[in-house]
Amino acid sequence: DGGITQSPKYLFRKEGQNVTLSCEQNLNHDAMYWYRQDPGQGLRLIYYSQIVNDFQKGDIAEGYSVSREKKESFPLTVTSAQKNPTAFYLCASSLTSLEQFFGPGTRLTVL
Amino acid sequence: SQKIEQNSEALNIQEGKTATLTCNYTNYSPAYLQWYRQDPGRGPVFLLLIRENEKEKRKERLKVTFDTTLKQSLFHITASQPADSATYLCAMPSGSARQLTFGSGTQLTVLP
Repeated sequence: DGGITQSPKYLFRKEGQNVTLSCEQNLNHDAMYWYRQDPGQGLRLIYYSQIVNDFQKGDIAEGYSVSREKKESFPLTVTSAQKNPTAFYLCASSLTSLEQFFGPGTRLTVL
Repeated sequence: SQKIEQNSEALNIQEGKTATLTCNYTNYSPAYLQWYRQDPGRGPVFLLLIRENEKEKRKERLKVTFDTTLKQSLFHITASQPADSATYLCAMPSGSARQLTFGSGTQLTVLP
């Protein structure tokens, strides 16, 4: 089956820790994205990548980092510099500038 | 930057009725606009795309309109069913290529 997978589904982090969220796609899409969603709010773009080894900051990149070493993978690291990391994180990919395909999401909670 | 406004309040309707959701934008008219469905705890799923030169688009019980004069898109679900209950997001391109800006969504509940 083609699609996007995210892991883990739930993640708990202690304050001061870095954590990495996984995103893998086998759709052969060039572009990949990371969004953050807070309760009752829309999706806010953290980072996006249009090709391998290249990525750009979105609207709320502070406290986050990414890498794009392979076309299929776009991991997101939430660093200790992110002051309010508790949220629902969504990864997406697209082939053109049109529809985006989303993964199931990772819910991150800071303890 | 583009700002998108969707019905901030949840919408409750009776099964069988038509649900109408609104998406307004404030700045430039986009080349196209998209609608997604999101169920609780899951990622959004693409439903429909309408281009600026299309006034209306249909897919089964779904209909989307795009009025660039009013800077508004309407999303209709006819003969609504409880299974249509979800949050519906509108999105439009922004910034450089392949970026989308999403509205905050409208939560729809179809009552049996």
